[in-house]
Amino acid sequence: RKEVEQDPGPFNVPEGATVAFNCTYSNSASQSFFWYRQDCRKEPKLLMSVYSSGNEDGRFTAQLNRASQYISLLIRDSKLSDSATYLCVPTPAAGNKLTFGGGTRVLVKP
Amino acid sequence: SQTIHQWPATLVQPVGSPLSLECTVEGTSNPNLYWYRQAAGRGLQLLFYSVGIGQISSEVPQNLSASRPQDRQFILSSKKLLLSDSGFYLCASAGGGRTPLHFGNGTRLTVT
Repeated sequence: RKEVEQDPGPFNVPEGATVAFNCTYSNSASQSFFWYRQDCRKEPKLLMSVYSSGNEDGRFTAQLNRASQYISLLIRDSKLSDSATYLCVPTPAAGNKLTFGGGTRVLVKP
Repeated sequence: SQTIHQWPATLVQPVGSPLSLECTVEGTSNPNLYWYRQAAGRGLQLLFYSVGIGQISSEVPQNLSASRPQDRQFILSSKKLLLSDSGFYLCASAGGGRTPLHFGNGTRLTVT
């Protein structure tokens, strides 16, 4: 099993709709999680940090399910500008190796 | 807040030529430093990470190496590039523990 797995998509989303996707991780001791947004041919930018059960920032909500070892990202009222690839990375309980999932591509269409 | 400088932004190199990419960090001390590579249409592959001067952990590559001669300097090198080394190279910095990564702007390398 890969350390971090994501559905590559693409998720084709009508503008204004809600979309959600998951990131599963294999290390049950992972402490915190980060969601990044990456636009085409650009560096990833931090979108959200999750240190407990979840986090909410405007239209974005992250929810952590430790029992099933996944973290989800939900985007409400999708905008055209939300089109991007979303990457997740759990932080290990020990050590400093940070492994990203392959990313989920989201395409918001008018 | 920290800033990660990477250069050059783009690079075209012939197969078999050497490579040196430099990354410097401002605004923090004793960071954990990372080199990632992203092939076209793919995810981020961790190449190397470092928790201190002279301390390098290697994840994958056979013909790439990394060095950390100073606290906030991280260098990626190759003696002989392969076609498969083409990709988007990203340097990242983190404070360790539960702090997130911050990325440089990246170097797009094309090996011809």
